[in-house]
Formats: sequence, structure tokens, C-alpha cells
Amino acid sequence: TQLLEQSPQFLSIQEGENLTVYCNSSSVFSSLQWYRQEPGEGPVLLVTVVTGGEVKKLKRLTFQFGDARKDSSLHITAAQPGDTGLYLCAGGSDNRLAFGKGNQVVVIP
Amino acid sequence: NAGVTQTPKFQVLKTGQSMTLQCAQDMNHEYMSWYRQDPGMGLRLIHYSVGAGITDQGEVPNGYNVSRSTTEDFPLRLLSAAPSQTSVYFCASRRGGQGVSPLHFGNGTRLTVT
Repeated sequence: TQLLEQSPQFLSIQEGENLTVYCNSSSVFSSLQWYRQEPGEGPVLLVTVVTGGEVKKLKRLTFQFGDARKDSSLHITAAQPGDTGLYLCAGGSDNRLAFGKGNQVVVIP
Repeated sequence: NAGVTQTPKFQVLKTGQSMTLQCAQDMNHEYMSWYRQDPGMGLRLIHYSVGAGITDQGEVPNGYNVSRSTTEDFPLRLLSAAPSQTSVYFCASRRGGQGVSPLHFGNGTRLTVT
């Protein structure tokens, strides 16, 4: 099993602040996915990154895939309460996708 | 489209009881899978299927059985429930073929074994 480590586990910030969370591994991935999960619901895909060094933007969310394809980061600009949730990174073979333990983000109004 | 539907939403079992968690998808996805989510452990793959009649084990398959008789349905069976199986269970599906495609998750079944 390819291990994905996410940090920090928990992050609480004020509305309007910026934040960055990380997903790291010792393994090389052909692609990484980021999901967001809200209480009582299943994870929902935010983005897939496939190329080393790739940067993808989704409104105020910026995702980066490391050059060596072993790590990824998620940066949120001017966080809003609606950004509150558990952010999960996932990678591995198509049939055996492995997930990190998640970054719990709380944005305080 | 309903997407991925899981039933029941909540279930309480006594040790040794059996039950089946239901999962159905209406997106004609070839791939379906079951994960369990526990505090501090993240999502762990139990079993998966790449098409009707084909199943395989994931990371934590012990204590669980699956079958895939149709494209739409992928039930998860607990033959003799144990307290260690207390968890939130998620079913997920995606289209088959090569390339990266997103997993579509249901909203989970919260199972408590006493």
C-alpha cells in the first residue's frame, strides 16, 4: 500500500485568511486526486493532477503536484466558512486507490 | 440521476449478527468499491469489483464478503459482526477503462456493533 501522509491533521483559521495543506509520500504517483468531505456525506472530487509540477486552480483553491510526483499541496486564498471540511488526497492504482487521513479545515466566520 | 445510493443510513448490530449493506449506482459504472472510514485511520479499501462477476480484495477484506451479479449493485456482507467492524462504510463507483476517472461516493452507512 502506498502511504499518503497529510499535514496538518487539523487547521482552524479565521474567514479571509489563507491556508495551505500538504499531501506527501515516498512513492511516485502517476496522478493524485483531492476530495472534500462534509459531515454526513461522502467525499466529492475537487481535482486530479497528473503532470509533475502541474498547477490547477478551482476558484480560490490552488492545487500543485510536486515535480517528482511524490507530493501535492492545496492552497486556499481568502478562506470562507463554506470551505470548512475534510480534505483528502488519494493516489495509487486505478483499482486500489489509497487515501490519506485527511486535513480537517475549519473556517471561523 | 441518483448517483450512488447506500442503504441503510444507520444500523446497530449485536456481536455475531449478520447483515448486508446495500449499494446501487445508476451511472453504468464498471468499477465499484467499498471503503470503511475510522477516526485516525482514514478511508481503507475493503473490496472492489471491475465488472459483473469480478471481485477482488482490498486492504482490509477480512470479515467481509462481496458479490457483483449486476453492473448496478455491489452489496457488502458481514457474516458475523464484531465490534471492530464499527465504522462508517462508503460505497464508491467510477467508469471503467484506462485513465484517471473520479470516484463517486454514496453518503455512507454508519454501523455500530455492540
